[in-house]
Amino acid sequence: QKEVEQDPGPLSVPEGAIVSLNCTYSNSAFQYFMWYRQYSRKGPELLMYTYSSGNKEDGRFTAQVDKSSKYISLFIRDSQPSDSATYLCAIRRGGAGSYQLTFGKGTKLSVIP
Amino acid sequence: GAVVSQHPSRVICKSGTSVKIECRSLDFQATTMFWYRQFPKKSLMLMATSNEGSKATYEQGVEKDKFLINHASLTLSTLTVTSAHPEDSSFYICSARRGQQIFPSTDTQYFGPGTRLTVL
Repeated sequence: QKEVEQDPGPLSVPEGAIVSLNCTYSNSAFQYFMWYRQYSRKGPELLMYTYSSGNKEDGRFTAQVDKSSKYISLFIRDSQPSDSATYLCAIRRGGAGSYQLTFGKGTKLSVIP
Repeated sequence: GAVVSQHPSRVICKSGTSVKIECRSLDFQATTMFWYRQFPKKSLMLMATSNEGSKATYEQGVEKDKFLINHASLTLSTLTVTSAHPEDSSFYICSARRGQQIFPSTDTQYFGPGTRLTVL
């Protein structure tokens, strides 16, 4: 079983829809959870960073973590064509010196005008 | 914000030549930088972890003599692809760790824009 599983999509939604992106992980040692957005031929851009179960909101984006189920989600409200990109979940172990990130495969999202 | 730059953004070279890629953290000091490789429609593959002032740590299967990493300062790491071959053509991305001494929970990585290498 891979450490992080993410459905690669592609996912296509109409403009204004609510988008739900998800990842599951297998190791409870993972304590920190991130979502990155990557446009084609660009480096990933950090969107959200969470480290506790529950929701964290930033504008149209909400990151949700359920440590008991080892499940993380990113919700995008009122999706826009500019949200079309690949979204990568990334997780990190807890403890000092644990700096490496483990990435999901990424979900390619297209928001259709 | 936390800005990381990479140079060049795109390079085309002949087989057998060496190519150097620079990664700079512009507004913070990065004791640790990471080098990734990304194939089309694939996720990021960690190649090596670069620590300022010490030797890089390479992931299994990555040839350290092929991919030379130098982290000479707290804001600069370089990746040199030596004797490049067409199979080395890829998208190379660096990231810089921005650690928070007081709040370690916000310790995370910020990525550069990537370098597309094409070896003819």
